[in-house]
Amino acid sequence: NAGVMQNPRHLVRRRGQEARLRCSPMKGHSHVYWYRQLPEEGLKFMVYLQKENIIDESGMPKERFSAEFPKEGPSILRIQQVVRGDSAAYFCASSAFRADTGELFFGEGSRLTVL
Amino acid sequence: DAKTTQPPSMDCAEGRAANLPCNHSTISGNEYVYWYRQIHSQGPQYIIHGLKNNETNEMASLIITEDRKSSTLILPHATLRDTAVYYCIVRPVGMDSSYKLIFGSGTRLLVRP
Repeated sequence: NAGVMQNPRHLVRRRGQEARLRCSPMKGHSHVYWYRQLPEEGLKFMVYLQKENIIDESGMPKERFSAEFPKEGPSILRIQQVVRGDSAAYFCASSAFRADTGELFFGEGSRLTVL
Repeated sequence: DAKTTQPPSMDCAEGRAANLPCNHSTISGNEYVYWYRQIHSQGPQYIIHGLKNNETNEMASLIITEDRKSSTLILPHATLRDTAVYYCIVRPVGMDSSYKLIFGSGTRLLVRP
């Protein structure tokens, strides 16, 4: 897991607030993937981004969730007006090439708790 | 939905081999078998993958049956640090959606002292 940096590791928000989760991919990686893990469940794909482009957001809820990966800086997963059901661990992964072969390298995750 | 079936939990004694089974009876010809593990409160960690031949690396061995409908991950000398949830994932390679790893419930392995 070394190399993919996520912050914050833990985030507490009240219902209605905004949550911003950041992910810096491994050095040299330009492909970023966000996954969500609800309590006691496996990880589920949310979105795939390349620099400045969203490639696939088919796993992301249509409302309140957005993601970006700007030319400079980390990838951001933004959740507006959080609800209790958003409480989960959010994992970012990266790859050097489009991950149709090889492994994805995951970060340690950001754990969001919505009060 | 996950295309794999794994036992929900297993345990083994420290120092012994841990053999984790996985059924993937509907696997296609272009799909690899991948194994990841998730130690408590950490991100998933890649272990090994294979297509049809047995594979070995510094972490584990992967044995795939000849008909490719099942496989076994072997940790040859389990340590307490191997306690984790192990995910067996069938993944198409060279396809547009290969990055969508489908994690099932996995097997929770407990290594006993």
